[in-house]
Amino acid sequence: DAGITQSPRHKVTETGTPVTLRCHQTENHRYMYWYRQDPGHGLRLIHYSYGVKDTDKGEVSDGYSVSRSKTEDFLLTLESATSSQTSVYFCAIGAGQETQYFGPGTRLLVL
Amino acid sequence: GENVEQHPSTLSVQEGDSAVIKCTYSDSASNYFPWYKQELGKGPQLIIDIRSNVGEKKDQRIAVTLNKTAKHFSLHITETQPEDSAVYFCAASPSTNAGKSTFGDGTTLTVKP
Repeated sequence: DAGITQSPRHKVTETGTPVTLRCHQTENHRYMYWYRQDPGHGLRLIHYSYGVKDTDKGEVSDGYSVSRSKTEDFLLTLESATSSQTSVYFCAIGAGQETQYFGPGTRLLVL
Repeated sequence: GENVEQHPSTLSVQEGDSAVIKCTYSDSASNYFPWYKQELGKGPQLIIDIRSNVGEKKDQRIAVTLNKTAKHFSLHITETQPEDSAVYFCAASPSTNAGKSTFGDGTTLTVKP
């Protein structure tokens, strides 16, 4: 398995609170991605990074921000969580511009 | 933007039979087509991929075919085994734009022993 870890693996939070999810890789891959997975919607790209401090929006970026200060870490922040952000969040990495390896996921419940 | 449709949404086969999952895409700029397998409680795992300059690719019991003209690609699994039971996702993207990956909604494959 590719060296990708996500933390936390599960989180329950309340509406309006900030939440940060962390993705850590040991593969030294340039590209990192955040996806969300919801029933009936498959996987949708939130944000991605193509290098340290280089990020861009995906299909469903509203309400989310990201940061990448080191090659190995990619953070996803929900500034003020809403119930519509209840989902399973997956981090992924790729050596090139193609999503190759996914992390184990973080289950987030916003009450 | 890109639209990927995947069929069927559920597929049940007997062990040893073949399984075929089909996807169509809309954006002619897409040139990279991966397939992922997702087991319960885990992240998707890349099982095979194909690029637009190739019509077919095979890896043991798994094969993928691509018809660029018709904009569709398919996953073929032969001699299915119970451990092939999972959710399978197709995706389409332009290999020069990391932010444009679009996934199908998934196919739940059940292989009955």
